[in-house]
Amino acid sequence: QQQVKQSPQSLIVQKGGIPIINCAYENTAFDYFPWYQQFPGKGPALLIAIRPDVSEKKEGRFTISFNKSAKQFSLHIMDSQPGDSATYFCAASKASGTYKYIFGTGTRLKVLA
Amino acid sequence: KAGVTQTPRYLIKTRGQQVTLSCSPISGHRSVSWYQQTPGQGLQFLFEYFSETQRNKGNFPGRFSGRQFSNSRSEMNVSTLELGDSALYLCASRSILNTEAFFGQGTRLTVV
Repeated sequence: QQQVKQSPQSLIVQKGGIPIINCAYENTAFDYFPWYQQFPGKGPALLIAIRPDVSEKKEGRFTISFNKSAKQFSLHIMDSQPGDSATYFCAASKASGTYKYIFGTGTRLKVLA
Repeated sequence: KAGVTQTPRYLIKTRGQQVTLSCSPISGHRSVSWYQQTPGQGLQFLFEYFSETQRNKGNFPGRFSGRQFSNSRSEMNVSTLELGDSALYLCASRSILNTEAFFGQGTRLTVV
């Protein structure tokens, strides 16, 4: 019940394309869903996060779509650029109290120039 | 504002030794969590500290321990190192007012 399933494992898109990364969770107690971007040799950097009271959130070229009934959420990267090539992780957590992220397994994205 | 600082960045240790890693959170952040990242297991939660108290612990053996000081800096210790402990160890800090967690660059531990 603690798992977060992430897909696909890897993704290659052309510059300007819209890669979509999907995550599904099981524990309905989760109410905070962040996405992290990680470049080789670096720690994960927070990109965008959403709570279940909204179905979509946009920040720049990054959009999270959230489907509470299906217990799924996804990251869309608009107008993707070669600089977006990185590994992306979704996570789930409770928004209050003790804080522990359950991470997805990661998606390695490559954006071709 | 300085980010999360982890030291050292790289470590090479021999099996059976012990190691201590350090994390300085963002100024004003009182929650510090530790994660282990490996290619096979991904990012796994080790433990969380808040105001010098461990609030949550992941599913790791007792060889993994940590502590937090009054200035919110945290250390984690791994005793009797095993080859499988080779990983990137990440520290994340969080403000009590916010759910957002910010990660450091990590300490790359190699056990030989």
